[in-house]
Amino acid sequence: GNSVTQMEGPVTLSEEAFLTINCTYTATGYPSLFWYVQYPGEGLQLLLKATKADDKGSNKGFEATYRKETTSFHLEKGSVQVSDSAVYFCALITYNNNDMRFGAGTRLTVKP
Amino acid sequence: DGGITQSPKYLFRKEGQNVTLSCEQNLNHDAMYWYRQDPGQGLRLIYYSQIVNDFQKGDIAEGYSVSREKKESFPLTVTSAQKNPTAFYLCASSIYAGGRTGELFFGEGSRLTVL
Repeated sequence: GNSVTQMEGPVTLSEEAFLTINCTYTATGYPSLFWYVQYPGEGLQLLLKATKADDKGSNKGFEATYRKETTSFHLEKGSVQVSDSAVYFCALITYNNNDMRFGAGTRLTVKP
Repeated sequence: DGGITQSPKYLFRKEGQNVTLSCEQNLNHDAMYWYRQDPGQGLRLIYYSQIVNDFQKGDIAEGYSVSREKKESFPLTVTSAQKNPTAFYLCASSIYAGGRTGELFFGEGSRLTVL
């Protein structure tokens, strides 16, 4: 079946530090990959996505590249801000299975 | 503005009572979903519906029921059979076209606490 594994948190960084949150996946079929962000007490918002191999999704300074050879979709940001503090979820969906699968989430805290 | 509205935002229930969580969308999306979120466990799929009058069980459907009588609405009932219902519930929707579902759009969630 389809599944997503992402690095466990929590992750604590200082402002302007470099961020990487690892995400790997297992899928039967050709998945589309997503990163969602959840701020405290809210639902999830789409951060970025990639629908085919070697695509790079980007938004708000965050980037992730769809790596089919390593089945990975790691999230990166060059310089984090306090306002980036949230929980980040990696997710996938495949053509033959229309329910989206989520990783366990990684809590990021950025300190001034 | 288009979006997904969940209500209530907070709900308290006594053991043995059924409760219904509302989810309404005005995005004209075909597919709707209910997820449960527990600390450290990510999101788990309860039920989903790809079209009106049709829905499928997700991974943790036991103790829950849904209906999809209108395209815009997908209410979730948490029954007394659900053994550990205290959680954060998220409703989502997506376009469903040509057999493929796109990205999900989420509501702000409903937090259910059983006293």
